[in-house]
Amino acid sequence: NAGVMQNPRHLVRRRGQEARLRCSPMKGHSHVYWYRQLPEEGLKFMVYLQKENIIDESGMPKERFSAEFPKEGPSILRIQQVVRGDSAAYFCASSPGGVEQFFGPGTRLTVL
Amino acid sequence: GIQVEQSPPDLILQEGANSTLRCNFSDSVNNLQWFHQNPWGQLINLFYIPSGTKQNGRLSATTVATERYSLLYISSSQTTDSGVYFCAVGPYSSASKIIFGSGTRLSIRP
Repeated sequence: NAGVMQNPRHLVRRRGQEARLRCSPMKGHSHVYWYRQLPEEGLKFMVYLQKENIIDESGMPKERFSAEFPKEGPSILRIQQVVRGDSAAYFCASSPGGVEQFFGPGTRLTVL
Repeated sequence: GIQVEQSPPDLILQEGANSTLRCNFSDSVNNLQWFHQNPWGQLINLFYIPSGTKQNGRLSATTVATERYSLLYISSSQTTDSGVYFCAVGPYSSASKIIFGSGTRLSIRP
């Protein structure tokens, strides 16, 4: 059973560009979570989704960030008009029932 | 919101030594997980342990939910144990997000 998959693993964007991060949950998992880790810090919750629904987006910045988990395909975290402060590692986790979470390898975003 | 504190923040040990990492949390939880972030940045699930005791090889963990703390024990440390150990808790008020502590950075010297 493959684990949580994220791509790309590394992403470089210039200021003002868009970043799209993808997450495929473990087979049978319908709950997806996104977390952000700034350098030398712990992970911070961003958003929790189930298929086609955003359940909790209390950790998402109000502007430029959006997330979706369509009926078919991976979950997408989208960052518009990136700024240097968006440089971080973005982790996706999935869960079969909303409690224990399993994490992917992360996407390292660098904004030049 | 719930607060998660980990101690010590840094720990340097010689190979073969034992260690105890602590996680205190400020409210009731329905989820507590321990993770190891290796030097390449990957997060590895160690334990899902909202209460009780579990063991996996040289690692074991105990959570005393009524006293709001959890302990991670590492015995006979190896250099591959180096990295950052995170405790994360899920508050009863939410079945979704988990709140991470700031981690314990463990360095094992050969």
